[in-house]
Amino acid sequence: LAKTTQPISMDSYEGQEVNITCSHNNIATNDYITWYQQFPSQGPRFIIQGYKTKVTNEVASLFIPADRKSSTLSLPRVSLSDTAVYYCLVAADKLIFGTGTRLQVFP
Amino acid sequence: EAGVVQSPRYKIIEKKQPVAFWCNPISGHNTLYWYLQNLGQGPELLIRYENEEAVDDSQLPKDRFSAERLKGVDSTLKIQPAELGDSAVYLCASSLVSPANTGELFFGEGSRLTVL
Repeated sequence: LAKTTQPISMDSYEGQEVNITCSHNNIATNDYITWYQQFPSQGPRFIIQGYKTKVTNEVASLFIPADRKSSTLSLPRVSLSDTAVYYCLVAADKLIFGTGTRLQVFP
Repeated sequence: EAGVVQSPRYKIIEKKQPVAFWCNPISGHNTLYWYLQNLGQGPELLIRYENEEAVDDSQLPKDRFSAERLKGVDSTLKIQPAELGDSAVYLCASSLVSPANTGELFFGEGSRLTVL
């Protein structure tokens, strides 16, 4: 099973770009990379998913290098409401969440 | 469209008592998951259903935990008897198909259990 490693916590200020990198050295050929966001007292919420290169949606971008052994979630111009825990998952039959990255955005 | 609905949102019981959690997935979602989340940790998978079949229950402590998904729609997770260490948030999630490749799950708000 692919295991993911990401920083425990990160701090940022409003308006800055935040990049959270996740390592997944044992990713399988047919695995996708998915990121979730979780606020206190809520279930995780899907942010973005990709297989290779770059994916962008209205809230984030996901960068995946050619070897796919890592990925970077990019949040442009964060606001206070982006303070949350961000989880990187490598999709398979077992969707294993790690401990996530706790992002704190300051004014 | 309604999301994943869970109840109760909060439950406080004494140890050795039974407790049950209910989940109504998004309409048409064939795959249903129960996760357990301890404070400060990521969710841990307990069981996964494909329609009414439990296809992965390897992480479910079967001595005290049980789950069912009758008719492949709603699901119930039961703990009997509850122990102090069972205090956690129990999350239900659903997806349209088995997310072997897509991984997009829709989560409910969770049921927070406190065992005294």
